[in-house]
Amino acid sequence: GENVEQHPSTLSVQEGDSAVIKCTYSDSASNYFPWYKQELGKGPQLIIDIRSNVGEKKDQRIAVTLNKTAKHFSLHITETQPEDSAVYFCAPGHGSGNTGKLIFGQGTTLQVKP
Amino acid sequence: KAGVTQTPRYLIKTRGQQVTLSCSPISGHRSVSWYQQTPGQGLQFLFEYFSETQRNKGNFPGRFSGRQFSNSRSEMNVSTLELGDSALYLCASGGQGSDEQYFGPGTRLTVT
Repeated sequence: GENVEQHPSTLSVQEGDSAVIKCTYSDSASNYFPWYKQELGKGPQLIIDIRSNVGEKKDQRIAVTLNKTAKHFSLHITETQPEDSAVYFCAPGHGSGNTGKLIFGQGTTLQVKP
Repeated sequence: KAGVTQTPRYLIKTRGQQVTLSCSPISGHRSVSWYQQTPGQGLQFLFEYFSETQRNKGNFPGRFSGRQFSNSRSEMNVSTLELGDSALYLCASGGQGSDEQYFGPGTRLTVT
């Protein structure tokens, strides 16, 4: 089965700094690479995703980069704000649109200090 | 459009009892998946239902079961509860042909 590892497990940054979280996966057939954000008391929410035919995708202050050869992808958050404090999960998969099964990484707790 | 709703939000049960959790997906979504979230094991996939049929299953014992109704609402049942079943149970719904999963707020189950 798919092995998914996230690093770091916790990350503390000053407001305005950048944060980078890396996700490594084992299944070379994976072609869909999403990042979910979970705030306290809520379920995870998709914040950005990328497919294997694209190397990078950006949406305002967040971006995802993919290195398919090395089997890892990363979440980049620039100009961090206190509301970015949350737990972030990667969930690489086959992206067939025919399954709701996600294999999540262990999560990264991001703390943004004002 | 209303989001995914889960009931109840909190539940306290005793070892050996059984429990049923309910999930109403986003209108139009036919896929409902269930996840268990614990500090030690993280987010783990339990099972997925699509059009009243189980489409995927995770590695959980048979004490964990589920079903889906014709209106796409889903229930999961845990029988003979153990202390280790204490967790946040999340359900997610997905639209046909879409990879995005929309999560509910979860049901916090405590087994004493």
